[in-house]
Amino acid sequence: NAGVTQTPKFQVLKTGQSMTLQCAQDMNHNSMYWYRQDPGMGLRLIYYSASEGTTDKGEVPNGYNVSRLNKREFSLRLESAAPSQTSVYFCASGLGGTGSDEQFFGPGTRLTVL
Amino acid sequence: GNSVTQMEGPVTLSEEAFLTINCTYTATGYPSLFWYVQYPGEGLQLLLKATKADDKGSNKGFEATYRKETTSFHLEKGSVQVSDSAVYFCALVNTGFQKLVFGTGTRLLVSP
Repeated sequence: NAGVTQTPKFQVLKTGQSMTLQCAQDMNHNSMYWYRQDPGMGLRLIYYSASEGTTDKGEVPNGYNVSRLNKREFSLRLESAAPSQTSVYFCASGLGGTGSDEQFFGPGTRLTVL
Repeated sequence: GNSVTQMEGPVTLSEEAFLTINCTYTATGYPSLFWYVQYPGEGLQLLLKATKADDKGSNKGFEATYRKETTSFHLEKGSVQVSDSAVYFCALVNTGFQKLVFGTGTRLLVSP
């Protein structure tokens, strides 16, 4: 039982390049989330998927797209990377719904855009 | 809107000292409150939670009480260890779909 896995762990891009961050969970969770973590700002929600086949914007969606490929996988795409997207990206999953259930986090991807 | 405010760090303590990390929140309705911990190089993991007023969440010697009258959820531990060195995040989930709102995090450094 691996929990939430993310690839890659580290990535360096040049401005304007594109890339996709991959996330998978093996806990049969309905909901999945993408956050970014920046110094002094905590974690901010980029996009989330309440269930397979649905995606919604979070607090900071500009410059990103997502795909909920199936129940296990939720990818985050940067079409044209900018230095402002330098950050640590975390994927999370949870049962979702309107309860107070725990979210489980992956180990993160550290992205630098030059 | 919903927001969480945490004390700025770093908090630097000696082993066996008493720990308090302050957290206050702003929310409409009756949110659930959480403390998550992030160890170096890792993702976040749930430390404890409380779902209604006067609930006390506890885990691994850490405690926090949901105080509606002061809109607070302060984290405490009676005797910290070097292994408690980490970043601690206070968070809330309000009514509706479960979207966490995080504070900015407080780094705790414990020296032997």
